[in-house]
Amino acid sequence: QQQVKQSPQSLIVQKGGISIINCAYENTAFDYFPWYQQFPGKGPALLIAIRPDVSEKKEGRFTISFNKSAKQFSLHIMDSQPGDSATYFCAASRGGGSQGNLIFGKGTKLSVKP
Amino acid sequence: GAGVSQSPRYKVTKRGQDVALRCDPISGHVSLYWYRQALGQGPEFLTYFNYEAQQDKSGLPNDRFSAERPEGSISTLTIQRTEQRDSAMYRCASSLLLAAGELFFGEGSRLTVL
Repeated sequence: QQQVKQSPQSLIVQKGGISIINCAYENTAFDYFPWYQQFPGKGPALLIAIRPDVSEKKEGRFTISFNKSAKQFSLHIMDSQPGDSATYFCAASRGGGSQGNLIFGKGTKLSVKP
Repeated sequence: GAGVSQSPRYKVTKRGQDVALRCDPISGHVSLYWYRQALGQGPEFLTYFNYEAQQDKSGLPNDRFSAERPEGSISTLTIQRTEQRDSAMYRCASSLLLAAGELFFGEGSRLTVL
C-alpha cells in the first residue's frame, strides 16, 4: 500500500515558469511533510518542510501548500531555472514530528528547459 | 568533507553470498537511518537507530537483513545469502536531532547481485 502518492511522474517546464508537484496521503497521523531534492548520482537533500498547523510555507522560490482536509500538499517552484532540474520527492512521517520512519513518494523528475 | 560516508560505493556479488555495507554518519549526529532506493523510485525505509539502539526495524524485508550500530556511530547493514531481488541502491542518512529534523543522506552503496 502506497502511503504517499506523488504526481506527476515527470514534468517539463520552460525557464521562468512555475513547476507544481502534488502529493496525497491517507494516514491522518502524519504530521511532518518534507520535500527532498535529488540530483543524479547524489543522495536526496532536504529542500523545505511543513507541519499541518500552517497552510503554506515559503522559502525563496519554493513554496509548500498544505490542505489538511483534503490530505494533500504540493510544491510550487516559482521562476523555475535549469539548475532546478532534478528529481523531487515528497515525504511524510508521524509521531509528533519524529522522522524515525519517513515515507517517501515515488518522485517527480523535473526538467527545466532554457 | 564532513558528509555521510558510505562504503563500498559499488558492490557486485554472486547470489548466495553475504554482503556488509558500511555507513559513517556526520560526526555528532545521534540518529542513523537505512533506506533502499530502487531505480526511479523513492527511498524505502529499512531501519533506524537512536545512538546505538535500534528503534524500528519494521522496514527490513526479511530475516536475511540485519543492521547494527554498536558504538552509536558507524553502522553496518548486512545482507545474508543475497538474492537478485536485493539489487538496489542502499542509502544511509543521519540526523543531528533524535529521530527528527533534517536527514542528511550519503551517496549510497550500489549493490548488484548476479
